This record gives sequence, structure tokens and C-alpha cells, in this order.
Amino acid sequence: QVQLQQWGAGLLKPSETLSLTCGVVGESFGSYYWSWIRQSPGKGLEWIGEINHSGSTSSNPSLKSRVTISVDTSKSQFSLKLTSVTAADTAVYFCARDRAAAGDFDYWGQGALVTVSS
Amino acid sequence: EIVLTQSPGTLSLTPGERATLSCRASQTLGGNYLAWYQQKSGQAPRLLIYRASTRASGIPDRFSGSGSGTDFTLTISGLEPEDFAVYFCQQSVNSPFTFGGGTKVEIK
Repeated sequence: QVQLQQWGAGLLKPSETLSLTCGVVGESFGSYYWSWIRQSPGKGLEWIGEINHSGSTSSNPSLKSRVTISVDTSKSQFSLKLTSVTAADTAVYFCARDRAAAGDFDYWGQGALVTVSS
Repeated sequence: EIVLTQSPGTLSLTPGERATLSCRASQTLGGNYLAWYQQKSGQAPRLLIYRASTRASGIPDRFSGSGSGTDFTLTISGLEPEDFAVYFCQQSVNSPFTFGGGTKVEIK
């Protein structure tokens, strides 16, 4: 059974950097793409970006200039950094597995609420 | 980017009834790269259907997906109490992957 466990800071001030990590247990990490997705009341579900085991990334143009997604295959982990956060970045952030490089997501982390407030 | 419009916003039904949810794309989804998810309060979305009509692993056969091009449908044939939730569609034919705004299926 695949499990994704995510962690990171939940309260940030404007202009700070959001940092989250997702650890994967129970599956061949190198066989898949891994994504970050966020959900807010105002914007709904928003795909942030993805990475594979070799570090190849793709991200949403709306966030691309502020997003860095990295991978540590030795630990079966991948991470998200989002710079210069504002209140608009307040959301629940999920990590997820791309089922078959087809862009749909069959396993998800538990979600992490990140609040940006001064 | 591709915009997905879901309708209706809310569906009020009783257990045992049939639910029909719609998702319309702003452009043709080649290969029918359209997925459906169920989300309950406080939980992550759960993949139900991918490639428009293929049920994900472990999904009951009362859930079915259909459609092609720009118009897609999720049907729940005989609502069970655990099916009352919010449902999202999502496309992956073009990056950025995008989601619809959701349909809430509530108990009438």
C-alpha cells in the first residue's frame, strides 16, 4: 500500500518562503511522477507542479517564477518551495502520485494547511 | 489553459437515486484525459475514474464515467450514504492540469 506523508511549516508571514516535503512509502519511487496540488476556497483545486526521480520538472505558469520542486530519491522524498508568499497562497497543500504519467492522481498525502498572515 | 465547468453546483438527492454530474471542457480533450474525484470534508480527493470511463482500483461499479471531446458525465447509479460528497473533474491533456469547480451531492 502506497502512503504519502507530508510535513512543513503551517504559518507564514507575507514575503516568506513556503517549504513542504512529502515522503513516499511502499512503492517504487522512481517509477512515477510526483505532484503538488493546493486547494483554497477562492481558487479551488490548483495543480502546482510535478517532478520525477531524475529531477525533471513541470510547473503551473501561474506560479512558475516562485516555485521550486526538488527530489531526494535516496529518501523517497520530494519537496516544494514557494517564495514570496502572500495571503493568496493560503491553502491546503497536497502531495500526490501521478498514476501512470497520465496526469491523474491515485494516491494523495493527508494535506497540510498553510496560512499566510501578518 | 483548459477551463472545466461542472454542473450543477449542488445536487440534492435521496439515497438510492441516480446522480448525473456534468463536466464541460473549454477545448477538446484528446485521448479523453479526464478524471473524476470524490472528496469528503477534511480529506484528500479520491480518484474514481480516469481516461473518462475507466474505474480506478477498488472503486464500486455504481460509479461510471462517459463522454468524449468536451462533454463528460459521471453517473452514480444508486446513491449510497457514503457517496454524499463533493466531486471534481480534472483534465491532463494539457499542462497546466486543471480541475473543475466541483459538484456537491447532498442529501435531500
